[in-house]
Amino acid sequence: DTEVTQTPKHLVMGMTNKKSLKCEQHMGHRAMYWYKQKAKKPPELMFVYSYEKLSINESVPSRFSPECPNSSLLNLHLHALQPEDSALYLCASSLAEHTEAFFGQGTRLTVV
Amino acid sequence: AQSVTQPDIHITVSEGASLELRCNYSYGATPYLFWYVQSPGQGLQLLLKYFSGDTLVQGIKGFEAEFKRSQSSFNLRKPSVHWSDAAEYFCAVGLDSSYKLIFGSGTRLLVRP
Repeated sequence: DTEVTQTPKHLVMGMTNKKSLKCEQHMGHRAMYWYKQKAKKPPELMFVYSYEKLSINESVPSRFSPECPNSSLLNLHLHALQPEDSALYLCASSLAEHTEAFFGQGTRLTVV
Repeated sequence: AQSVTQPDIHITVSEGASLELRCNYSYGATPYLFWYVQSPGQGLQLLLKYFSGDTLVQGIKGFEAEFKRSQSSFNLRKPSVHWSDAAEYFCAVGLDSSYKLIFGSGTRLLVRP
C-alpha cells in the first residue's frame, strides 16, 4: 500500500469558519508533510512532522494549525482563513529524510 | 543556496515523438533527485528517483532520467510520448539531513494528437 489518503477532496469555507483537513498513511512512514499549492506553481512546504513531533514550520500563519495524533494521521486545522488561502493542500509522507515523498490527491480549498 | 531550475515552462510534442524535459540543480553536496508528475487537480506521483549508483535511472510509465554531475543536470526522457502523458512535471532535490524538497517551477507538457 503506497497510498496517502486525504479528506475531504473539496472544501468551501467562510472566513469565520473552523474546519480541518485530514491525512492518513499506513506505510509506516515516520515523516508527514503539509504542502500548499497555488495554480501553476510548485508545492510550497508548510509543516513537517517527524516521529509525531513538529520538525519544520515554514513561518506559516497561525490560522493554520497542524496536529499529528499518531504516526499514521496528520490534521490541518483551519480558522479565520483569508480568500488568498484558497489553494490545493497536499499531504505527503516519507520513510525518512531525503527519501521519496508520497503525496495524497489533495484537498481543494476555497475560502469565500 | 539550493535551487532547481526547469528552463522550459511549456513543451509541446506530437504523440509518438520523443521527449526530454530539462532540470538543473544547484547544491553543493550529493543531491537526491526526483521527478514527479501531476495531472490537473491531482496530487504528485513519483516517476523516478536518483540517490547514488547508476546514473541512468528507470522509472514508471516508460520514463528514464540521467544524472550528470558535471552539468548539474537530471533530465527526464521518454522515447515515445502518449497523449496520457500530458501533465505538469516537477523536478525536485532532496537535501542531505533534511526533510525539505526543493521543487523546480515545473514544465507543462502538451501532447498533439
